[in-house]
Amino acid sequence: EVQLVESGGGLVQAGGSLRLSCVGSGFTFSKNWMSWVRQAPGKGLEWVANIKQDGSEKYYVDSVKGRFTISRDNAKNSLYLQMNSVRAEDMGVYYCAREPGGYSPDFWGQGTLVTVSS
Amino acid sequence: QSVLTQPPSVSGTPGQRVTISCSGSNSNIGSYIVHWYQQLPGTAPKLLIYSTSQRPSGVPDRFSGSKSGTSASLAIIGLQSEDEADYYCAAWDDRLNVRLFGTGTQVTVL
Repeated sequence: EVQLVESGGGLVQAGGSLRLSCVGSGFTFSKNWMSWVRQAPGKGLEWVANIKQDGSEKYYVDSVKGRFTISRDNAKNSLYLQMNSVRAEDMGVYYCAREPGGYSPDFWGQGTLVTVSS
Repeated sequence: QSVLTQPPSVSGTPGQRVTISCSGSNSNIGSYIVHWYQQLPGTAPKLLIYSTSQRPSGVPDRFSGSKSGTSASLAIIGLQSEDEADYYCAAWDDRLNVRLFGTGTQVTVL
């Protein structure tokens, strides 16, 4: 059974940092693109970033470029999102998702909530 | 940043057919496959349609997807109460180099 389990969310002050983690199981993690998608309270889905199987390619939405860094550790079946200079508009649920072949996600984790205080 | 436009809401009675549109451009829907997702309240999104018109195992055949030019559509044929949810389209955009999600459509069963 495919599973993606996120952790690391919580309360962070504006301007602060947070590191999200996601552990995958039930599939060959190292053979898949992976991504982070977020959802602000009461709003729609917003793709944040993705990373190629070997980490050699990464793409980001403009609003997080220079502040967020996506990375992975295939030996640990883990995906990360380092969030720096966090802003109020970064608040929401962050989902880890599998992107087979680099296409849109086919499986999502349950999400981790990031709350930003001013 | 989404440039995939969906109607905010659609509604129908049980058994009816409803259609959700997803309007984009040549740099996204016009050039790439489209995925559709269903998100029930308080849960993570679930893949409903992939590669524009394919259903994953376990998705009822009352859901179907199609594309024409720079627009895609999701049809629910024979609406059921459990279909009340938010629906999103998604596609890669090679002008922005990002994956775009549609603005989302809330489906209500009357």
